[in-house]
Amino acid sequence: NAGVMQNPRHLVRRRGQEARLRCSPMKGHSHVYWYRQLPEEGLKFMVYLQKENIIDESGMPKERFSAEFPKEGPSILRIQQVVRGDSAAYFCASSPKNTEAFFGQGTRLTVV
Amino acid sequence: EDQVTQSPEALRLQEGESSSLNCSYTVSGLRGLFWYRQDPGKGPEFLFTLYSAGEEKEKERLKATLTKKESFLHITAPKPEDSATYLCAGAGGTSYGKLTFGQGTILTVHP
Repeated sequence: NAGVMQNPRHLVRRRGQEARLRCSPMKGHSHVYWYRQLPEEGLKFMVYLQKENIIDESGMPKERFSAEFPKEGPSILRIQQVVRGDSAAYFCASSPKNTEAFFGQGTRLTVV
Repeated sequence: EDQVTQSPEALRLQEGESSSLNCSYTVSGLRGLFWYRQDPGKGPEFLFTLYSAGEEKEKERLKATLTKKESFLHITAPKPEDSATYLCAGAGGTSYGKLTFGQGTILTVHP
């Protein structure tokens, strides 16, 4: 049973470009969570999604960030017009229902 | 606001030297207290879930315990391969996946 798959593992974007981060949850998992880990800081919750629904986006920045989990395909975290402060590791986690969440290996975004 | 605080920030042990990591939490409506291990450049790896005060769980050299305000991760006779950052997180509200993480304890075990 493959774990949570995130791609790309590393992503470099110039300021002003768009970043798209993908997450395929574990088989049978319908709950997806996105977290951000800034340098020298802890993991911070961003958004909680189920298929075709955003359940809780209380941790998402108000502008430039969006997330989706379509009926088919991976969950996508989209960052428009990236700035240097967006450089971080972004982790996706999934769970089957209301149980512990399992994390992917993360996408490391660098904005130059 | 939910808060999770871990101490110490860093811990250096000799192989075989047992110790404990502390996690103090203030999480409204706590549904579960989680421990994860994170290696450099990797994602957090799930270790334990504790649901109620007095609960204990063990896995190899690790044992996690929970009180109403704190959780402890006890490491017995650690080995160099136990070196990692150990993360504590609390889940409140309606979802076990919406976690408030502590800053982590960086454990280094010297041979």
